[in-house]
Amino acid sequence: GESVGLHLPTLSVQEGDNSIINCAYSNSASDYFIWYKQESGKGPQFIIDIRSNMDKRQGQRVTVLLNKTVKHLSLQIAATQPGDSAVYFCAETYIGNDMRFGAGTRLTVKP
Amino acid sequence: DSGVTQTPKHLITATGQRVTLRCSPRSGDLSVYWYQQSLDQGLQFLIQYYNGEERAKGNILERFSAQQFPDLHSELNLSSLELGDSALYFCASSVDRTGQNTQYFGPGTRLTVL
Repeated sequence: GESVGLHLPTLSVQEGDNSIINCAYSNSASDYFIWYKQESGKGPQFIIDIRSNMDKRQGQRVTVLLNKTVKHLSLQIAATQPGDSAVYFCAETYIGNDMRFGAGTRLTVKP
Repeated sequence: DSGVTQTPKHLITATGQRVTLRCSPRSGDLSVYWYQQSLDQGLQFLIQYYNGEERAKGNILERFSAQQFPDLHSELNLSSLELGDSALYFCASSVDRTGQNTQYFGPGTRLTVL
């Protein structure tokens, strides 16, 4: 069946380095994607979104890249900080459909 | 703070019991979504309400039900609880019904079934 998934379940980086978290999706009809951050004991927090008519979108220290050809989504975090340590979820949807979440990648930032 | 509130924060109960989780969406949001997150699992969509009407159903068990009230707050009812129902339950809200806009999540209710 169609699904949203993540390439790497865990990622460990040094403070100050850039982080890249990847997500593969299989539904070519998906046209809206979101990255969420979930810290321990808290609810998912919106980070950034992108629609399928774009291939790149930038926020504060974060960039989302969308490659529709290979159905791949990535989240880049610049100058990763200890406060970035969390589980990151990608989510996909298309109009009229439920939002589906990937399993999540745990990012650990080492000081 | 997302603007979505959930109560209670923690709930401990026994198998076979029934509990009610409550959610208040962000001001202006008409859609409410319920999700279950088990230990080390992703978010599983349960059900969506839009302006008081059920709009979409996901992997929601028959023992579970929900409703959205005229003031737009929502309740998730879990009955005949089993050990496997222990999880975090999140409510999210969004401005419309299409799913094409950001969902803002509440802090969750941690349910422990003993």
